This record gives sequence, C-alpha cells and structure tokens, in this order.
Amino acid sequence: AQSVAQPEDQVNVAEGNPLTVKCTYSVSGNPYLFWYVQYPNRGLQFLLKYITGDNLVKGSYGFEAEFNKSQTSFHLKKPSALVSDSALYFCAVRHTYSGAGSYQLTFGKGTKLSVIP
Amino acid sequence: DVKVTQSSRYLVKRTGEKVFLECVQDMDHENMFWYRQDPGLGLRLIYFSYDVKMKEKGDIPEGYSVSREKKERFSLILESASTNQTSMYLCASSFRKRRQGPSNTGELFFGEGSRLTVL
Repeated sequence: AQSVAQPEDQVNVAEGNPLTVKCTYSVSGNPYLFWYVQYPNRGLQFLLKYITGDNLVKGSYGFEAEFNKSQTSFHLKKPSALVSDSALYFCAVRHTYSGAGSYQLTFGKGTKLSVIP
Repeated sequence: DVKVTQSSRYLVKRTGEKVFLECVQDMDHENMFWYRQDPGLGLRLIYFSYDVKMKEKGDIPEGYSVSREKKERFSLILESASTNQTSMYLCASSFRKRRQGPSNTGELFFGEGSRLTVL
C-alpha cells in the first residue's frame, strides 16, 4: 500500500528566507509524486510533479522539489519566501496499481505554511 | 486551461435533507473524483468514476452515493445529511490511464470546493 507523510502540521518562515516543506512517501515500484497548494477557501492547485529524470523538479510560482530515492523523500523548497506563499501544501503519491483505468493519488494531511512579513 | 466547476461554493442544509453537489469539467477527462477535506485528516476519497455510469467506492463511501450520467458531470449525493458530513467537498478530474500524452501522469485538476454545513 502507498502512503505519504508530512511530518509538520505547520511551518513558519520569515519573508525572504528559504522555505522547506517536508514529505516522505512509501510506494512499491517507481514513485510518481506531486505537490499541490490550497489557498484559503479554494480548491487545490497543481504545483509540480516528479515522474522520472532529474531529482530537482521546478514548478509554478518559483517552487521546486527535491526527490531523494534513498530517503524516500520529496521536499518542497523555495529560495525566498513571499507572504503570498502562505497556504496549505499537500504532497501526493500515485498508486502503483489503480485498476479500472484510473490513476489514484494518496494525499498527505497537509502542511500549513505561514510566511511572516 | 482545465476548468472544473462545482455548482455551489457554500451550502447550509438541515439534518435529514437530501443534498446534491454537482461538478462539471470541460477537458474531456474520463476520470472524476469526489474527496472530502477535514482539518487534520487531509483529503479522503469518497467515490470516483472512470467512465459514464461507472463508479467505484473510495475510502469513505458510507452515507454517500454518486451519479455519472454524462462524461462531463459527476454528482455527489447525500441521501440524508448528517452533522458529521459537515465538510469541504472537492471534485477533481483526470485523464484515464491509457490515454497517451504528457498529461497522462495521474495529475488531478480540482474544482474550487463546496463547503457544506449540516445543522
């Protein structure tokens, strides 16, 4: 079975500082990993994904994520945080076998990022 | 751009009422999903559908049913709403597995959410 852990419920960072939101995963086979962001009272928006290739994946809004196979991690990073980055961030892993023609994702419980001015 | 539209952003219903949450997508996606989101629990899959008139139970289907009469529309039904169904409901869609192309990686596209309060 696949699973995702986001060990921090909340991350606080000062504006202009680098930020990291942590994610570890468990899945059999090659992992397909995703990050989504949710602003207050909105749906989830796709940020980036790792499928194969370079371990550093670049995504929307200046975010990037580092895939580390040996540590089974996929941490989200940004070199310089903005107040507007304050939101809820979800890591997700695609099921290796979904059946019935549909890929399914398992989501972590989310990490609330607060960027302090 | 993919657009997933949920008909109601905010609903207030009474215990025992029948509730319909509607979702429409305009990207010809085969797969559609209903999740509920609760603080500290993340997203939990209620039902999904991979084709018209097809449905599969997710992790928490109890108390819910779904309808997929047309490819673009996926409805979530609460037959008799209860207070423990107060939640944020998120609809999502994606291409099916065997569709070729760069989008075929399992990425989900979400609607804006429907916040349901059951009194």
